[in-house]
Amino acid sequence: QLQLQESGSGLVKPSQTLSLTCAVSGGSISSGGYSWSWIRQPPGKGLEWIGYIYHSGSTYYNPSLKSRVTISVDRSKNQFSLKLSSVTAADTAVYYCARGIVVVPAAYNWFDPWGQGTLVTVSS
Amino acid sequence: SYVLTQPPSVSVAPGQTARITCGGNNIGSKSVHWYQQKPGQAPVLVVYDDSDRPSGIPERFSGSNSGNTATLTISRVEAGDEADYYCQVWDSSSDQEVFGGGTKLTVL
Repeated sequence: QLQLQESGSGLVKPSQTLSLTCAVSGGSISSGGYSWSWIRQPPGKGLEWIGYIYHSGSTYYNPSLKSRVTISVDRSKNQFSLKLSSVTAADTAVYYCARGIVVVPAAYNWFDPWGQGTLVTVSS
Repeated sequence: SYVLTQPPSVSVAPGQTARITCGGNNIGSKSVHWYQQKPGQAPVLVVYDDSDRPSGIPERFSGSNSGNTATLTISRVEAGDEADYYCQVWDSSSDQEVFGGGTKLTVL
């Protein structure tokens, strides 16, 4: 059974870069037909898609975050990562990683499973 | 960008049927996915591709999608179904995944 586990700094200063890693176990991140995704949820609010990376290496990002986001994969460690630059208090949220199941050729995804989430607070 | 509209809350008595809607312009032409999120937990996929259920999800959960409204239906509601529910679609015009604002299901 595939499992995902987020890790990274829980406190980031304004204007700095948020960095998180998602370790994948129970399956290979190199398997085709999937995307590797980041989704966040500000405290008490709804879900916001950040972006994902496909098996091919192609990336898709939320247009509202695109200028600040980088998602990458480390196949040797079976993990993928999120970097979000120039953070502000508005980036405070629980960050989830998730596997996306990709439907071709329409190229849409649903997300299953999800990691447990990690709270990142932006504060000086 | 594409907007998905959900009612903030839905209340239902145990044993009754809960219907949670997700509104969007011509949403019937898209594939809709639904997630359940209990307090302090990560979301869990309960319906994908409008009406399919992942393994392990009870048959009480079903979905439909037509016109401008997609609906998640929960039959014979149990206390354990109390949670927030989110719909999600892919918006091809802006190349982004979009979530609805979420609906809190309260079991009376």
